Amino acid sequence: DGGITQSPKYLFRKEGQNVTLSCEQNLNHDAMYWYRQDPGQGLRLIYYSQIVNDFQKGDIAEGYSVSREKKESFPLTVTSAQKNPTAFYLCASSAPRDGAHYGYTFGSGTRLTVV
Amino acid sequence: SQQGEEDPQALSIQEGENATMNCSYKTSINNLQWYRQNSGRGLVHLILIRSNEREKHSGRLRVTLDTSKKSSSLLITASRAADTASYFCATARSYNTDKLIFGTGTRLQVFP
Repeated sequence: DGGITQSPKYLFRKEGQNVTLSCEQNLNHDAMYWYRQDPGQGLRLIYYSQIVNDFQKGDIAEGYSVSREKKESFPLTVTSAQKNPTAFYLCASSAPRDGAHYGYTFGSGTRLTVV
Repeated sequence: SQQGEEDPQALSIQEGENATMNCSYKTSINNLQWYRQNSGRGLVHLILIRSNEREKHSGRLRVTLDTSKKSSSLLITASRAADTASYFCATARSYNTDKLIFGTGTRLQVFP
């Protein structure tokens, strides 16, 4: 079945650590996105990529980094510079590069908790 | 930045009743989309309405769009307990369609 796989489902991070969240899609979609979801605040865009080896900052990119070395993969690293990383992280993809013309397909999310 | 604001924030109804959620946005749009999210899960795309459309149907869903008021509504008819979820509107701006901007969501609870 085609879809987006996010792993792990739950992740615990110690203060000062970097952690990487995985996002893989087998839909042959060009564009991929990372959103952060906090209670009562909806989804906020962290980074997005419309093509391999290129990505753009979203509204809350500080403390995060991404790479897009393969079309299928768009990992997100939460660095120690992110002061409040506890949240639910969602990865999405869309077929065309200007993906907002159509719907997004979402993964099932990774819940990150700082311990 | 949040583009859409949903209203109400939370809604509780009985099975069989209709549920109406509203979304207001700030800038001119290319299209508006509605998504559903079950607790602790990813979002699922429900329906997309383009700026030149006024109404769209999909099964028990009816979406309207009023670009003069910068607002949209999602109606779920004959609701079921399985419709319990959060519903989000998302907009693609007219001048920048490479990303969607999501609202804050409406939490719908349908009691059996």
